[in-house]
Amino acid sequence: NAGVTQTPKFRVLKTGQSMTLLCAQDMNHEYMYWYRQDPGMGLRLIHYSVGEGTTAKGEVPDGYNVSRLKKQNFLLGLESAAPSQTSVYFCASRKLSYNEQFFGPGTRLTVL
Amino acid sequence: KQEVTQIPAALSVPEGENLVLNCSFTDSAIYNLQWFRQDPGKGLTSLLLIQSSQREQTSGRLNASLDKSSGRSTLYIAASQPGDSATYLCAVSSNTGKLIFGQGTTLQVKP
Repeated sequence: NAGVTQTPKFRVLKTGQSMTLLCAQDMNHEYMYWYRQDPGMGLRLIHYSVGEGTTAKGEVPDGYNVSRLKKQNFLLGLESAAPSQTSVYFCASRKLSYNEQFFGPGTRLTVL
Repeated sequence: KQEVTQIPAALSVPEGENLVLNCSFTDSAIYNLQWFRQDPGKGLTSLLLIQSSQREQTSGRLNASLDKSSGRSTLYIAASQPGDSATYLCAVSSNTGKLIFGQGTTLQVKP
């Protein structure tokens, strides 16, 4: 099992550009999450999904959109990137029946 | 609003020492508590998960305890090794499954 994988690993954007981060898991987990990690702020929840076709806002959702068209994939979109979105983005997943989250390796995004 | 605090922010110890990392939370109505390890530039690795009904969990040289009433958890590392050098994060979960993280303790174990 690959577990939770994230694509791409690194990305540099200019202000105003758009991009999509892909998270994939092969553990048949129902729940998926997107976090961002910033120095001094810790990890904060952006959006999450409790199943295919459903999404919900987390603590810091502004400027991001998400989609969960397939159970194994969770996409995070930035429509118009801003320097404040420079961060490391982590995806996580877990089973419905057991609340232990498993994390991907992260995507380091820089917005110039 | 749940807040999670980890003290100390950084810790440096010689190899072989036993050490304790602390985590406190403000709202005792948690579903479980999870300890993670994060190596520089890497993702999070789950170390231990303690359900709210449990007092402790053990895995190898690691032992995590939970005292819900006082809002505290400790991660005990026995006989520390240089390979234990990393940032350790604790996170508490409500019954909705959302995790609230502390800011971590960065541990350096010197040979």
